[in-house]
Amino acid sequence: AQSVTQLDSQVPVFEEAPVELRCNYSSSVSVYLFWYVQYPNQGLQLLLKYLSGSTLVESINGFEAEFNKSQTSFHLRKPSVHISDTAEYFCAVSDEAGGYNKLIFGAGTRLAVHP
Amino acid sequence: DGGITQSPKYLFRKEGQNVTLSCEQNLNHDAMYWYRQDPGQGLRLIYYSQIVNDFQKGDIAEGYSVSREKKESFPLTVTSAQKNPTAFYLCASAPGRTEAFFGQGTRLTVV
Repeated sequence: AQSVTQLDSQVPVFEEAPVELRCNYSSSVSVYLFWYVQYPNQGLQLLLKYLSGSTLVESINGFEAEFNKSQTSFHLRKPSVHISDTAEYFCAVSDEAGGYNKLIFGAGTRLAVHP
Repeated sequence: DGGITQSPKYLFRKEGQNVTLSCEQNLNHDAMYWYRQDPGQGLRLIYYSQIVNDFQKGDIAEGYSVSREKKESFPLTVTSAQKNPTAFYLCASAPGRTEAFFGQGTRLTVV
């Protein structure tokens, strides 16, 4: 079964600084990877996803993530963060077994952007 | 407009009572999921369903039950057997492996 490890539970950063949120997954032949963002007391919103093709995927609000098969990683980066990026971020992997598909999540990383 | 609706947003339960959380979707997705979220533990899968009248236990199914009588609906019952039910519950649906769409969540508190 798949598993996901988010290496940092909290990441404090100053506004306009770069940030990297780390994510590693257990190895699989075929893997789909996702980053979701959650604001307080809300559901999760998809930030970006890797299904196939280019290993670098981008979101509309400046985040990007790179799929690295050899290191089984899918780290999330942003070159310059804003106060509004303060939220919890979840990395997830799609696990398919026995004809059933489910999303496996990491424990989350709380990004706190300070002025 | 299309989406996933969870109700109620806040729910209070007395110890020993069963309570049912509603989840409805109009996205025509086959798959639906229930997750439980606790601080520092991420999302843990309770139950999931790929088609009507079929569902599978997730990692923490004990003390919970579900039904999938209609494609649009996947209610979750938190039974009295669930010893620590206070948590944030999230429902999701998906057309396949490509991504999941989440509702706004229900916060359940035992009083």
